[in-house]
Amino acid sequence: AQSVTQLDSHVSVSEGTPVLLRCNYSSSYSPSLFWYVQHPNKGLQLLLKYTSAATLVKGINGFEAEFKKSETSFHLTKPSAHMSDAAEYFCVVKELTGGGNKLTFGTGTQLKVEL
Amino acid sequence: DAEITQSPRHKITETGRQVTLACHQTWNHNNMFWYRQDLGHGLRLIHYSYGVQDTNKGEVSDGYSVSRSNTEDLPLTLESAASSQTSVYFCASSEPVADTQYFGPGTRLTVL
Repeated sequence: AQSVTQLDSHVSVSEGTPVLLRCNYSSSYSPSLFWYVQHPNKGLQLLLKYTSAATLVKGINGFEAEFKKSETSFHLTKPSAHMSDAAEYFCVVKELTGGGNKLTFGTGTQLKVEL
Repeated sequence: DAEITQSPRHKITETGRQVTLACHQTWNHNNMFWYRQDLGHGLRLIHYSYGVQDTNKGEVSDGYSVSRSNTEDLPLTLESAASSQTSVYFCASSEPVADTQYFGPGTRLTVL
């Protein structure tokens, strides 16, 4: 079975500084990986996705992630944090068996952005 | 605009009662999913459906059931609510084998 591990449950940054949210995956073949974001009291929104095309994936709101097979990682980055980035972020892997599209979520990383 | 809605948004119930959470989508998606969100666990899959009359168990299906009688709706039923089922529940839908799932706003359920 495929899985993802988010290495930090909480990350705190100052506004204007870089953001790094770490995710490692486990899969016996090349997975489809995603980052979803959840703002307080809201549903989840797709931030970006990797589906075996370019290894550097750009998403919404200036976020990007790089798929590194050698490191089994898919870390999320942003050059400069904004207050509106404060939210919970989930690294997600898509199951490829059975012709379906079930998702397996990591446990989440809470991003706090301080002035 | 197409959307996915959940009702109620908040629900308080008592142990042992039957509860049904509604999920309705106007995307005309074949695939629908129910998740629960708990601190430290992220989102975990409860049940899913790949079309009318199709239902499947997810990772944490015990105590829950679903039925799919049309494309738009996938109601989630707690047959006999337990305090361990206090959680936030999210419904999602997608095209078959699509990468993106669209999530509803969630239902906060408290079982006393």
